[in-house]
Amino acid sequence: EVQLVESGGGLVQPGRSLKLSCAASGFTFSNYYMAWVRQAPKKGLEWVATISTSGSRTYYPDSVKGRFTISRDNAKSSLYLQMNSLKSEDTATYYCARHTMGNYFDYWGQGVMVTVSS
Amino acid sequence: DIQMTQSPASLSASLGETVTIQCQASEDIYSGLAWYQQKPGKSPQLLIYGASSLQDGVPSRFSGSGSGTQYSLKISSMQTEDEGVYFCQQGLKYPWTFGGGTKLELK
Repeated sequence: EVQLVESGGGLVQPGRSLKLSCAASGFTFSNYYMAWVRQAPKKGLEWVATISTSGSRTYYPDSVKGRFTISRDNAKSSLYLQMNSLKSEDTATYYCARHTMGNYFDYWGQGVMVTVSS
Repeated sequence: DIQMTQSPASLSASLGETVTIQCQASEDIYSGLAWYQQKPGKSPQLLIYGASSLQDGVPSRFSGSGSGTQYSLKISSMQTEDEGVYFCQQGLKYPWTFGGGTKLELK
């Protein structure tokens, strides 16, 4: 059974940093692209970052480019999201997701809440 | 960026009723479309990919169709467990974008 378990969320002040983690199990982690998708409270879904199988390629939307960094450790079956210069508009539930070849997201974690506020 | 527009924003349906949700892309996405269901307090679940392929384990009352810029999700017989919010997402071009969602409630 595929499982994705996020951790590391919490309350952080604007301008500060936070690092999220995602522990994967139930599939060969190193064979899949992985992604982060977020959902602001009572809002829709926004793709945030994707990383290739080896970690050599990363992709971001303009809204987080230059502030967020996605990374992975295939030996530990773990995915990470380093978030710097956080803004109030980054407040959301962040989901770790498996990114398929068709550019869909076929498995999702339970999500972790990040609140950016002073 | 490709904009995804869903309609309606919300709807209610009776048990056994057929439900249809629409999704329009701002340009041709060549069937590169997925549908997700999100139940209250839960993470999204992939229902349909490639516009019409049913994800493993998803009930056959769900189906997807469409081409070009116009796509739809159909639930052939509304069940209690189908309540939730439905999102479409284009997978053709980076950045990958989602529709705003359609909230489905049981009447």
